[in-house]
Amino acid sequence: GQQLNQSPQSMFIQEGEDVSMNCTSSSIFNTWLWYKQDPGEGPVLLIALYKAGELTSNGRLTAQFGITRKDSFLNISASIPSDVGIYFCAAQTQTGSYQLTFGKGTKLSVIP
Amino acid sequence: GAVVSQHPSWVICKSGTSVKIECRSLDFQATTMFWYRQFPKQSLMLMATSNEGSKATYEQGVEKDKFLINHASLTLSTLTVTSAHPEDSSFYICSALVGFVSYEQYFGPGTRLTVT
Repeated sequence: GQQLNQSPQSMFIQEGEDVSMNCTSSSIFNTWLWYKQDPGEGPVLLIALYKAGELTSNGRLTAQFGITRKDSFLNISASIPSDVGIYFCAAQTQTGSYQLTFGKGTKLSVIP
Repeated sequence: GAVVSQHPSWVICKSGTSVKIECRSLDFQATTMFWYRQFPKQSLMLMATSNEGSKATYEQGVEKDKFLINHASLTLSTLTVTSAHPEDSSFYICSALVGFVSYEQYFGPGTRLTVT
């Protein structure tokens, strides 16, 4: 089946540092999405990418849809304590069901 | 926009009883909703796709007679865990498909189910 390889699995960074995480797959997808999940909460959509090569920003977050349509990365600049959480990449094939395939998540810890 | 609510946020029930979880789209209509299950420190696992007015489509390995899904209106889908057992204890999350730019899933806050 389709799988997304998300890395790193976890990371500890100092407040103010930039963060980068990525997802790769052997399959082609039409849409890549990045979600953040806080403990005991549902995932919150951060950025959605629809075209290969697309680079999209949302405040301090920037994400890109890989040109091969098999990968995506998320960057967070100037991290702050509230960036702590688990970040999931997700990819969607628009075959009519719009189901998502999720990565295993990147747990981000920010040291003040 | 695109707010999805779930009720209850947490529930404790005894083995053998049934529990119903509601998923509502608050400010939009959702013809398609999804139900996920998440174990601690793991990713989300899709259980089923719920389409308004039709039977849900279950993923392989998910017992449709145990996890009953009803999507009777464009703003409400329900998941009923029947004859619950301790191994059904988990975090259940729903999402709704929204067509803003393309089609994206917006998630509810989740329901923590504990079966004793």
